[in-house]
Parts: sequence; C-alpha cells; structure tokens
Amino acid sequence: QKEVEQNSGPLSVPEGAIASLNCTYSDRVSQSFFWYRQYSGKSPELIMSIYSNGDKEDGRFTAQLNKASQYVSLLIRDSQPSDSATYLCAVNLGYKLSFGAGTTVTVRA
Amino acid sequence: DTGVSQDPRHKITKRGQNVTFRCDPISEHNRLYWYRQTLGQGPEFLTYFQNEAQLEKSRLLSDRFSAERPKGSFSTLEIQRTEQGDSAMYLCASSFQDRGGTGELFFGEGSRLTVL
Repeated sequence: QKEVEQNSGPLSVPEGAIASLNCTYSDRVSQSFFWYRQYSGKSPELIMSIYSNGDKEDGRFTAQLNKASQYVSLLIRDSQPSDSATYLCAVNLGYKLSFGAGTTVTVRA
Repeated sequence: DTGVSQDPRHKITKRGQNVTFRCDPISEHNRLYWYRQTLGQGPEFLTYFQNEAQLEKSRLLSDRFSAERPKGSFSTLEIQRTEQGDSAMYLCASSFQDRGGTGELFFGEGSRLTVL
C-alpha cells in the first residue's frame, strides 16, 4: 500500500466551478498534512496546511481532514484558469513529508 | 529574494560523469531536505539534514549519491558515475523545526538533470 494516494485525474472543471481533490494516507500516527501546487516545469509551492480534524479555509481554498478515515481533501472554489496545475498531497511521516503522485487539474474557460 | 535557491537550474551530462548540485536554504531554517521528482510522480525523499548532521537517507540513495551540509548552511548533492536513470528534477527544501515531526517545507526551483 502506498503511503499517500491521490485520485489519479486528470480533473477538468469549467471556470467558476468547484474542483474537489482527494487524498488518503496509510500511517495512522500522521499529524500534519499539506497541499502543494505545482505548475508544469516548476517546483511545488505550499498552499495549505492542516493539523486538526475539520475544515480549514484560506481564500478560495478549503482543506478538509478526517483522521479517523485517514482522508484529506482540497476544494478549490470559483476555479480560475490560473488554478490549472498539479496538486500534491503531502503527509508528515516523522522526519519527512511523503507525497502523493499528484492530481492534475485543468480549468477550462 | 530570501527563498531557497538551487544551482545549477539545468544540467546536461554524459553517462558516467559526476555532477554536483548546490542548495542554499532559507537562512533561519535548520532543516534541509533533498527530494527527487520524475515526470508524473510526486517528490521522493532522498535525505535530510538537521543543522550539519545528516540524519536520514532513503534506501533509494545508492552509494553513488552523497550529500553534505558543512557548517549547517548550504548543502551539496553529488552524483558520481551518472546513469540515464538519474535523469530527474532534484529538489531542495528547507524548514524550521524545533521539535519532532516535520513542518512546512519550502522548495527551491529545482535542478533538472538530463543524463545522455
């Protein structure tokens, strides 16, 4: 079983719609969770961190965490063409972050 | 710019040659990480330093790879006798962590290696 798994995508959404990204992880003791955005040819950029069960909102982004289900999600509201990128879920595994393979989102105008 | 910087940004080399990448972390960060990323995959952990001490290395890191962080400042990652399978983006990241666990990592722009 992979440490971090994401829905494979690609995900295509119309401009203005909500993009929903999912991530599951295998290690029950993980305590911190992150979403990174990566544009093609660029390095990952941190967009959200979440540590407690429930929702955390930052602008158009909402992260949701359910530790009992070992599930993290990211919602992007009012999607814009500039949101077109690969979104990486990362989970704290002690001394390191373990990353999923990413979900590529395309926002079509 | 006070972010993580990496050099060179691109490196093309022939199989069998040695290459070295440099990373300058954010100055107040005590942890420095090296990751490798190939097309369609997420970053893969290679090694990390807490100050100048290299505390963990991935099993993926063969003996052709060596990393240093002298004086707990910048870090270098050297690959000896490069192979075509080493072609990837090498990402450096830094963080500040004053206790266990791992906080937010901030990545540099990466060093893209192509081995011919």
